[in-house]
Amino acid sequence: DIQLTQSPSSLSASVGDRVTIACRASQSISSYLNWYQQKPGKAPKLLIFSASSLQSGVPSRFTGSGSGTDFTLAISSLQPEDFATYYCQQSFSTPTFGLGTRLETK
Amino acid sequence: EVQLLESGGGLVQPGGSLRLSCAASGFTFSSYAMSWVRQAPGKGLEWVSSISGSGTLTYYADSVKGRFTISRDNSKNTLYLQMNSLRADDTAVYYCAKDGLYDPIVIIFYYWGQGTLVTVSS
Repeated sequence: DIQLTQSPSSLSASVGDRVTIACRASQSISSYLNWYQQKPGKAPKLLIFSASSLQSGVPSRFTGSGSGTDFTLAISSLQPEDFATYYCQQSFSTPTFGLGTRLETK
Repeated sequence: EVQLLESGGGLVQPGGSLRLSCAASGFTFSSYAMSWVRQAPGKGLEWVSSISGSGTLTYYADSVKGRFTISRDNSKNTLYLQMNSLRADDTAVYYCAKDGLYDPIVIIFYYWGQGTLVTVSS
């Protein structure tokens, strides 16, 4: 199975900050990388698919980039509702997820 | 609006069985692959199984292969997960999720249900 390593595992930031979350694959996955947001007690929500495509209804402050083995999720100008846990997931082969990045308020 | 509503979770003893259901609405159910994803308490996400729109193609994680069976009834717009020989490490919230394609080739979880909790304990 393809392993996904997210960094950092946790992150403290303030409203208005710009933050980035990294996801590294154990082998090349082209652009088959997706990002999800999960709030406590809720189901995950798809934000970005195919590395850089914004899911319908997701604010444009979320952007995804990368290809091959290295990917990044960026959130520009953090809003209060953005504090959550973020997961990357590869769809190149049998689906696997990263362990998550918890974004907390500073 | 896509809606997915899971049911069937609960407390079961080790070695027991449980069947989860996921009622779908707001889209043409038979046109999309569907999946189950689980999340153990306080842990990350783990893909469990996927099924094609027709139901003829099924895929399983190694951790559940031979114990779990995914199926669907397109006439009822419902997805199922039959879970047998349950173990303590199967304890998790189980989510059903809608894919973007007919066949589960490039699996992206576009929409999720609210989840149903399965607890395996004596």
